[in-house]
Amino acid sequence: GAGVSQSPSNKVTEKGKDVELRCDPISGHTALYWYRQSLGQGLEFLIYFQGNSAPDKSGLPSDRFSAERTGGSVSTLTIQRTQQEDSAVYLCASSLEVISGPSSSSYNEQFFGPGTRLTVL
Amino acid sequence: AQKITQTQPGMFVQEKEAVTLDCTYDTSDPSYGLFWYKQPSSGEMIFLIYQGSYDQQNATEGRYSLNFQKARKSANLVISASQLGDSAMYFCAMRGYNNNDMRFGAGTRLTVKP
Repeated sequence: GAGVSQSPSNKVTEKGKDVELRCDPISGHTALYWYRQSLGQGLEFLIYFQGNSAPDKSGLPSDRFSAERTGGSVSTLTIQRTQQEDSAVYLCASSLEVISGPSSSSYNEQFFGPGTRLTVL
Repeated sequence: AQKITQTQPGMFVQEKEAVTLDCTYDTSDPSYGLFWYKQPSSGEMIFLIYQGSYDQQNATEGRYSLNFQKARKSANLVISASQLGDSAMYFCAMRGYNNNDMRFGAGTRLTVKP
């Protein structure tokens, strides 16, 4: 079946412009994550959606960043007034419903998309 | 707060030999999960192995095994019989009981030499 898809694969924009990045999760996956990976660095958590619950926005670096998830499926990450430091690969991941609790033998693997490489000139 | 530490920015291993990639973590959560991902030069993130904090046995998945030492808060990845295709970035990650996000380490770049 289809994996997580992201579009565009590459985006070059000018400083100050707004950009929208799209993520199509795996069908049936209720959890969706956005991460940012700067060159040569690890992944930085941005935001998390789980079903109809309010998203966890604790990782968003500034109020220029926002994300929404329509109909519990497709998600869009929007960066307003882009800055050069926003240049990075933005990765989306999805998983089945996150299981929390003391029984840690249960888990749901995150499946990652190919990412969108954003370059802000 | 959760923290993942990978102290080896780069590692080299001879083809067919075993290699251990280090990962230590810090958390106050009583229950958590530890993950290893591989990221080849193509950029995709590939899930390798998972270890639950209450699991009694170390996780194994083919040539991958996780050396889990809970008291030392370490979750090292062991790759046996290294192959040239194992050359990639490897990330250790953790998700806690009350956290939605997965915390990733800075990664280790593994190079397998022929």
